[in-house]
Amino acid sequence: GESVGLHLPTLSVQEGDNSIINCAYSNSASDYFIWYKQESGKGPQFIIDIRSNMDKRQGQRVTVLLNKTVKHLSLQIAATQPGDSAVYFCAEKTSYDKVIFGPGTSLSVIP
Amino acid sequence: EADIYQTPRYLVIGTGKKITLECSQTMGHDKMYWYQQDPGMELHLIHYSYGVNSTEKGDLSSESTVSRIRTEHFPLTLESARPSHTSQYLCASSPGDTQYFGPGTRLTVL
Repeated sequence: GESVGLHLPTLSVQEGDNSIINCAYSNSASDYFIWYKQESGKGPQFIIDIRSNMDKRQGQRVTVLLNKTVKHLSLQIAATQPGDSAVYFCAEKTSYDKVIFGPGTSLSVIP
Repeated sequence: EADIYQTPRYLVIGTGKKITLECSQTMGHDKMYWYQQDPGMELHLIHYSYGVNSTEKGDLSSESTVSRIRTEHFPLTLESARPSHTSQYLCASSPGDTQYFGPGTRLTVL
């Protein structure tokens, strides 16, 4: 069946270091991918997206990489800050116009 | 920043009560969604709508119902709440592919 999953449930990084959060997806026909950040007690917040015709997209301090060959998506956060501590979800939009969310990775930033 | 609102933010009620969770968006988005999420866990789609008078059940079986009489409003109703309904309920809207989420309603059924 279709699924989106994250490789690691938790990630701890030192403040100032770069963070890499990984995501595996199983539907090769998915054409759109999104990363969300969810802080405690809040709804998920859109961070960055990428379409399947791209390999890389950059935002402010964040970069998303898409490797369609191995169906892998990653989110890189540069110079990680305490405010980056949150749960990060990847999501894919399938060819059936359905959005599937992964289980989430909890990022903790160590001051 | 998306303008999507949910009320109440927190609700504690007794078993058997009927409740309605409100969700409103001011962006004119046609697509709206309800998700159920346990703390720190993944989101499960329970209902969605692609426009006025359109409602569909999601992947997770739910005893709740929804209505979409107006574009901006997508309320979710539980006719008889049970402790198993204790969870966070997230509403989202979308103009296309990207979904924008409200702050959520944390429901506790005693």
